[in-house]
Amino acid sequence: DVKVTQSSRYLVKRTGEKVFLECVQDMDHENMFWYRQDPGLGLRLIYFSYDVKMKEKGDIPEGYSVSREKKERFSLILESASTNQTSMYLCASSLGRGFGSPLHFGNGTRLTVT
Amino acid sequence: EDKVVQSPLSLVVHEGDTVTLNCSYEVTNFRSLLWYKQEKKAPTFLFMLTSSGIEKKSGRLSSILDKKELFSILNITATQTGDSAIYLCAVLMYSGGGADGLTFGKGTHLIIQP
Repeated sequence: DVKVTQSSRYLVKRTGEKVFLECVQDMDHENMFWYRQDPGLGLRLIYFSYDVKMKEKGDIPEGYSVSREKKERFSLILESASTNQTSMYLCASSLGRGFGSPLHFGNGTRLTVT
Repeated sequence: EDKVVQSPLSLVVHEGDTVTLNCSYEVTNFRSLLWYKQEKKAPTFLFMLTSSGIEKKSGRLSSILDKKELFSILNITATQTGDSAIYLCAVLMYSGGGADGLTFGKGTHLIIQP
């Protein structure tokens, strides 16, 4: 059974801090994704990756960067956190290439930036 | 452990058919159940169900929640090829002072043949 693990369930950070959100999947999936979920806005794609060391911008990449040094791990980085980045962050993985396979989600990280 | 189970995992029907997708759940502190359609970069929101027995409808799609039996169904009538997608069910749970925690099912891969 696929397991996608996000390292933190809750995080509280101050404006201007550098924030790392970690995600690990255990099923050798090629694709990994970072989304944020905000009330009324649904799920919005921040970044995704098809392979190690590769990354593609999603719909709202501004203020974020990512790192994929190993296949199983995909990190989301907020270089200088701002209050408008307070949100629920969801990591997902899927098999194969593209968006045609079911997404397997982690439990989410609720980030509050004060 | 919180669990959301969707069935079937995949379904192939002909255009014009009616389909029923199932989602059952076992979670603590249930708040609401959400249905998404995944066909592009980010799953698009379909319905949020909070109360039992009240059908939500949008065009040819409808959904209902049974909080006693802990399941929801998503119906699509007069299916079209554009309905081909992966349909995701997710359960939103309370945690502490507010809504928190989102657990997704594995999805139903629906294929509509012309």
